[in-house]
Amino acid sequence: EDKVVQSPLSLVVHEGDTVTLNCSYEVTNFRSLLWYKQEKKAPTFLFMLTSSGIEKKSGRLSSILDKKELFSILNITATQTGDSAVYLCAVGPKAAGNKLTFGGGTRVLVKP
Amino acid sequence: EAGVAQSPRYKIIEKRQSVAFWCNPISGHATLYWYQQILGQGPKLLIQFQNNGVVDDSQLPKDRFSAERLKGVDSTLKIQPAKLEDSAVYLCASSSIAGGLNEQFFGPGTRLTVL
Repeated sequence: EDKVVQSPLSLVVHEGDTVTLNCSYEVTNFRSLLWYKQEKKAPTFLFMLTSSGIEKKSGRLSSILDKKELFSILNITATQTGDSAVYLCAVGPKAAGNKLTFGGGTRVLVKP
Repeated sequence: EAGVAQSPRYKIIEKRQSVAFWCNPISGHATLYWYQQILGQGPKLLIQFQNNGVVDDSQLPKDRFSAERLKGVDSTLKIQPAKLEDSAVYLCASSSIAGGLNEQFFGPGTRLTVL
């Protein structure tokens, strides 16, 4: 059974701090790892990673994948209160169907 | 482009009652997913449709849950009878190609409370 574990469960930082979120996984025939941000209800897509060692970057957010060690990191620099959310990591196998297995998420609270 | 639509947004029922949720995916998206997200956990896939066919329903509690996508567009998820542990947010998502590397787009979800 595919498994995704995220750490820490939650963290509290102040505006301007940098946060690092971790995602480790076990999946049969890995194909992709995705990061989502969930503020209220619907998760919104951030990144998809398929190749090891390549950093994906969007503004203050960046992510990297290590396929050998089976983990990914999501970094947020110069945090703002609008970054407060639950960040979800999901993995997809090389099977038909694009099925995703999600981790439990990391809750980030950014204080002013 | 309109997003994934879901209704209702909230539902409160008593245990043993029935409930149904509706989802309309992004236009042209062939693949539709229903997830259950219990408070404090990540979403768990219940069922996946490719057009009007079921691709994966291995985690759907079939004794009480059912889902259909008769015309390959919108979909309904039903729970009958509901249990207390069914209290969760039910998320619908869609993607354009099942076998390709495409992200899933999520709807706003339906928060179900079973009393």
